[in-house]
Amino acid sequence: DADVTQTPRNRITKTGKRIMLECSQTKGHDRMYWYRQDPGLGLRLIYYSFDVKDINKGEISDGYSVSRQAQAKFSLSLESAIPNQTALYFCATSDATPELFFGEGSRLTVL
Amino acid sequence: AQSVAQPEDQVNVAEGNPLTVKCTYSVSGNPYLFWYVQYPNRGLQFLLKYITGDNLVKGSYGFEAEFNKSQTSFHLKKPSALVSDSALYFCAVNSGNTPLVFGKGTRLSVIA
Repeated sequence: DADVTQTPRNRITKTGKRIMLECSQTKGHDRMYWYRQDPGLGLRLIYYSFDVKDINKGEISDGYSVSRQAQAKFSLSLESAIPNQTALYFCATSDATPELFFGEGSRLTVL
Repeated sequence: AQSVAQPEDQVNVAEGNPLTVKCTYSVSGNPYLFWYVQYPNRGLQFLLKYITGDNLVKGSYGFEAEFNKSQTSFHLKKPSALVSDSALYFCAVNSGNTPLVFGKGTRLSVIA
């Protein structure tokens, strides 16, 4: 089993729908992150959490929200999806060192 | 603010030739530098990192990178490229207790 698991792996939805992407990890790390990948733009940080009670906005948090349900679980929500949120989303984890461990990604298409 | 520049969107190299993928960074304080690789339809995989110590860092799959503080660079290198090295490569940096900041990526194409 993967150390960092993302569900769903692929999702197609319509404008205005609420979408949740889920992430769970078995590495025992305290820190979890959500990044977004767009061609030519690299990875950009959406939200991050250094422990269960800690939530921080990243570079591109507008239109997104997160929930840290437990040490092992960190979900990303799009309250009302729009087409420019079409992207590949990655969850990652780390301990106190900055080295990240990534999930396989969730490809979201908003029509 | 932290930032990373990967000046080349694409690098093409013949199999067996040496390869270099460039990265420059900007941070306040001492940098922690990383290279990750992404194969099609996969997540990012760790290649190597510089935290402190020897400026030449060796990593997975025969890759290495040299930390150059005066030039604020951390170029990725390999002496002899393989077709299987073809992928998207990301440089990343942070300083202190902050998340990694990634470059835009460089697509490496190794031609047989």
